[in-house]
Amino acid sequence: DAGVIQSPRHEVTEMGQEVTLRCKPISGHNSLFWYRQTMMRGLELLIYFNNNVPIDDSGMPEDRFSAKMPNASFSTLKIQPSEPRDSAVYFCASSLWTSGGETQYFGPGTRLLVL
Amino acid sequence: GNSVTQMEGPVTPSEEAFLTINCTYTATGYPSLFWYVQYPGEGLQLLLKATKADDKGSNKGFEATYRKETTSFHLEKGSVQVSDSAVYFCALTNTGGFKTIFGAGTRLFVKA
Repeated sequence: DAGVIQSPRHEVTEMGQEVTLRCKPISGHNSLFWYRQTMMRGLELLIYFNNNVPIDDSGMPEDRFSAKMPNASFSTLKIQPSEPRDSAVYFCASSLWTSGGETQYFGPGTRLLVL
Repeated sequence: GNSVTQMEGPVTPSEEAFLTINCTYTATGYPSLFWYVQYPGEGLQLLLKATKADDKGSNKGFEATYRKETTSFHLEKGSVQVSDSAVYFCALTNTGGFKTIFGAGTRLFVKA
């Protein structure tokens, strides 16, 4: 079975450019999570969705960040304009939420470098 | 609020040594507890989980027991291998909750 798919796997861009990260969750899963991982701050939850609806976006660092989930099989995380401090690995994860305590399945991540 | 505290790394045992990575938690209610592992260049993946007090999760020779009285979920392995070198994350999810709260991660480097 296919796991969580993320694209691109690597992205190098210049400061001020728009960056779009993409995620395809595991088929049948109803919850989707976006995380950011850096050496300095560790793993941070940015936003999560349940049944395509954003539940909590309090982890989104600034208005430059936005996320959408137009359907159950696709989500995007956009940074506009990008800044060097946005350089990190961005993970998407999905789960089948029923009552809490479910396992999250992570994608391989997108390594973003903003110059 | 909910939180997870795990021992700082790096932890650097020799191959075949006994391993313990400590994890304690603070939570309201009755959380589910997890250990995730992250190998270099990859995303996190579930190593083991326990959903209620006194449950023991196990996988790949690793074990952890859900101790409610000490609010702990320590990870153990009797004989570590070089291939176990990775970052290990302790985590919890409260019953009915969407979010998983992750610890800071503990880097394990097993010396040959």
